[in-house]
Amino acid sequence: GAGVSQTPSNKVTEKGKYVELRCDPISGHTALYWYRQSLGQGPEFLIYFQGTGAADDSGLPNDRFFAVRPEGSVSTLKIQRTERGDSAVYLCASSLAGTGPSYEQYFGPGTRLTVT
Amino acid sequence: AQSVTQLDSQVPVFEEAPVELRCNYSSSVSVYLFWYVQYPNQGLQLLLKYLSGSTLVKGINGFEAEFNKSQTSFHLRKPSVHISDTAEYFCAVRFMNTGFQKLVFGTGTRLLVSP
Repeated sequence: GAGVSQTPSNKVTEKGKYVELRCDPISGHTALYWYRQSLGQGPEFLIYFQGTGAADDSGLPNDRFFAVRPEGSVSTLKIQRTERGDSAVYLCASSLAGTGPSYEQYFGPGTRLTVT
Repeated sequence: AQSVTQLDSQVPVFEEAPVELRCNYSSSVSVYLFWYVQYPNQGLQLLLKYLSGSTLVKGINGFEAEFNKSQTSFHLRKPSVHISDTAEYFCAVRFMNTGFQKLVFGTGTRLLVSP
């Protein structure tokens, strides 16, 4: 079946602009995660959705970052007033459930964001 | 603070040689442990995981890892590597307290296999 998909695969934007990154999880997965991977680093957690609600947004770096998942499926990560430091690969993952010991997070290919 | 450390940023090895990629974590709470592989321009793929039970876990592509609770380590091993194993490897941990749904990743180890 289809895996996690993310669009666009690459996004180049100018400093100060607004961007939206989209994640389409695996069908039936109720949990969805966003991570950010800067060059030479491991992925860092941003936010976790269980259904439509953000259950944990402790990783969002500041109030320029916001994410939604209005129907409990597709999610959009929104970044306002982009800064050069926001340049990174943004990864999305989904899992059958957020709780329980055996869940596995399936990752998408990521969106490479470059802020010039 | 809860953290995951991969001390080796890069590990060069010859084809058919054994390899060990090291991972240590710092925490006093229970953990679940994972190794992911990332090939160029691709997403993360789960290699193996430790949840409970036997401390030696086997994964895909001939990899295995051993959980050592006293040393808070989860090192990844393969007895004989192939050129196709060249990739970035990430150790990840779920800390079983507040925020346990998220994965905390190490900085990664680049495995370079040469002929």
